[in-house]
Amino acid sequence: SQQGEEDPQALSIQEGENATMNCSYKTSINNLQWYRQNSGRGLVHLILIRSNEREKHSGRLRVTLDTSKKSSSLLITASRAADTASYFCLLQGGSEKLVFGKGTKLTVNP
Amino acid sequence: DAGITQSPRHKVTETGTPVTLRCHQTENHRYMYWYRQDPGHGLRLIHYSYGVKDTDKGEVSDGYSVSRSKTEDFLLTLESATSSQTSVYFCAISDGRGPDTQYFGPGTRLTVL
Repeated sequence: SQQGEEDPQALSIQEGENATMNCSYKTSINNLQWYRQNSGRGLVHLILIRSNEREKHSGRLRVTLDTSKKSSSLLITASRAADTASYFCLLQGGSEKLVFGKGTKLTVNP
Repeated sequence: DAGITQSPRHKVTETGTPVTLRCHQTENHRYMYWYRQDPGHGLRLIHYSYGVKDTDKGEVSDGYSVSRSKTEDFLLTLESATSSQTSVYFCAISDGRGPDTQYFGPGTRLTVL
């Protein structure tokens, strides 16, 4: 069955540094999305990448997708304290409609 | 923010009692979803709806039922709550056109004693 595995589980960096988190999956997908969740809040959509795309950018966010390795990465450049949150990948496609990864908890220290 | 509200926002109940959570949207989106979020598990899909009276099961549907009699409302019912259903429940919506970007509600924290 489809599973989304994110690593690292937790990441602590200083303001201004870049943060990279990864999502790996088992079966083929149609697209992959990244979401952010601030503590105690609902998830907010960040970016979507389709299976035929390799890279997308949105502001300080860069997402890559390698379907041969079944993995995606989210890069946040020049991080800010406000980026402190948990980040989740969402896998879509195949026999299981929607599967979230377990998340990466990012702490950006001022 | 997308117009999604959940009620109640917090609830404490006892094992064996029925519980209904409500999700209300003002976006006229076709799809609505219920997830639960637990430490170490991320979000898991319970049930979803693709139209009025059209629903389907997700990954963790046992012990839950849903109903959607109007486009704007999606109800999640725990017929007989158990302690394992203590969780934070999130409702989400999407318009279903192309990739399903989801918009989430604020969540309901349910504690079953």
